[in-house]
Amino acid sequence: AQSVTQPDIHITVSEGASLELRCNYSYGATPYLFWYVQSPGQGLQLLLKYFSGDTLVQGIKGFEAEFKRSQSSFNLRKPSVHWSDAAEYFCAVVGGYNKLIFGAGTRLAVHP
Amino acid sequence: TAGITQAPTSQILAAGRSMTLRCTQDMRHNAMYWYRQDLGLGLRLIHYSNTAGTTGKGEVPDGYSVSRANTDDFPLTLASAVPSQTSVYFCASSDSRQAPYNEQFFGPGTRLTVL
Repeated sequence: AQSVTQPDIHITVSEGASLELRCNYSYGATPYLFWYVQSPGQGLQLLLKYFSGDTLVQGIKGFEAEFKRSQSSFNLRKPSVHWSDAAEYFCAVVGGYNKLIFGAGTRLAVHP
Repeated sequence: TAGITQAPTSQILAAGRSMTLRCTQDMRHNAMYWYRQDLGLGLRLIHYSNTAGTTGKGEVPDGYSVSRANTDDFPLTLASAVPSQTSVYFCASSDSRQAPYNEQFFGPGTRLTVL
């Protein structure tokens, strides 16, 4: 069965520091992968997606993610974090019938 | 355009009572979804609909029912609420006819507390 694992429940970084959020997936075929962000009290917003082609994908707000098939990973990165990036981040993979399967989420805190 | 609207924003409900969470989209998407979000579990699919007139069960369908009478609306009903249904509920929609896959757009959520 398809699944998504986000190993880090909470991460704290200083403003201006680099960020990497981990995501591992389990899926038999070529996965369609997503990262969503949820600000406090808000719905989910799509940051970026991977379907095929270039394994390094660029998203909104300066985020990028790299698909590594050999590691079954799709880690999210940002070179310099801003205080407004504090939020919860969800990795997701498309399962059967176009349904999304989400990881448990990683809550990011940013220290000034 | 409004995208996806959900109502109510929040609700406190007595156990055993029924309630319908409303979801409306104005993007003419064929597919709609209901998820619940619980701490440490992420979002889990409750029910989905690939087109008006059809519905399907997701990962956690028990205690919930849905209907899809038209393209725009996808209400979620709790017939007899229980405390374990306390959660934040998100509605989403997508144009699933676009290959290979089209993103899901999410509503702002409904926070439900069952006492």
